[in-house]
Amino acid sequence: EDKVVQSPLSLVVHEGDTVTLNCSYEVTNFRSLLWYKQEKKAPTFLFMLTSSGIEKKSGRLSSILDKKELFSILNITATQTGDSAVYLCAVEGGTGANSKLTFGKGITLSVRP
Amino acid sequence: DAGVIQSPRHEVTEMGQEVTLRCKPISGHDYLFWYRQTMMRGLELLIYFNNNVPIDDSGMPEDRFSAKMPNASFSTLKIQPSEPRDSAVYFCASSLRGGNRYNEQFFGPGTRLTVL
Repeated sequence: EDKVVQSPLSLVVHEGDTVTLNCSYEVTNFRSLLWYKQEKKAPTFLFMLTSSGIEKKSGRLSSILDKKELFSILNITATQTGDSAVYLCAVEGGTGANSKLTFGKGITLSVRP
Repeated sequence: DAGVIQSPRHEVTEMGQEVTLRCKPISGHDYLFWYRQTMMRGLELLIYFNNNVPIDDSGMPEDRFSAKMPNASFSTLKIQPSEPRDSAVYFCASSLRGGNRYNEQFFGPGTRLTVL
């Protein structure tokens, strides 16, 4: 069974801190790994990663994938209170049209002023 | 663009009743997804469509759940009969094929379903 484990479950930081969120996985026939941000409503797509070692970057957020060690990290630099949210990691596995998306339980990030 | 539109936003029903959730994807998107989110199980993919055709429904929990997409701008998720354990937030999402169907998914605001 495919498995996605995120850590830590939650963390509290102060504005300006840098945080690293972790996602490890066990998936048959890995295809992609995705990060989402969920505030009090629907998830918002952040990144999709398919290749090891290539950093994806958007503003203060960046992410990288290690397909050998089966994990990804999401970094947020100079955190702001607006970064407070649940960050979800999902992994797509399988072949062809039968690929499945498995989500982790999420990491709750609280950024204090 | 109005984004993905879902209705109703909240639904409260009694056990045994039929529930129909509705979704309008972003115009031009050719993939549509239905998700369910609960505290216990997190976010789960139920089913997805490509060009109105169901591709993978292996996430649909039971035969009580069914989904249709009669045209490119409308989809329904139906639960009949509903049970209290179906209580959850149901999200619809859409994307435009660009190498990977999950790339740049846009989620609707969700329907919060409560089954008493």
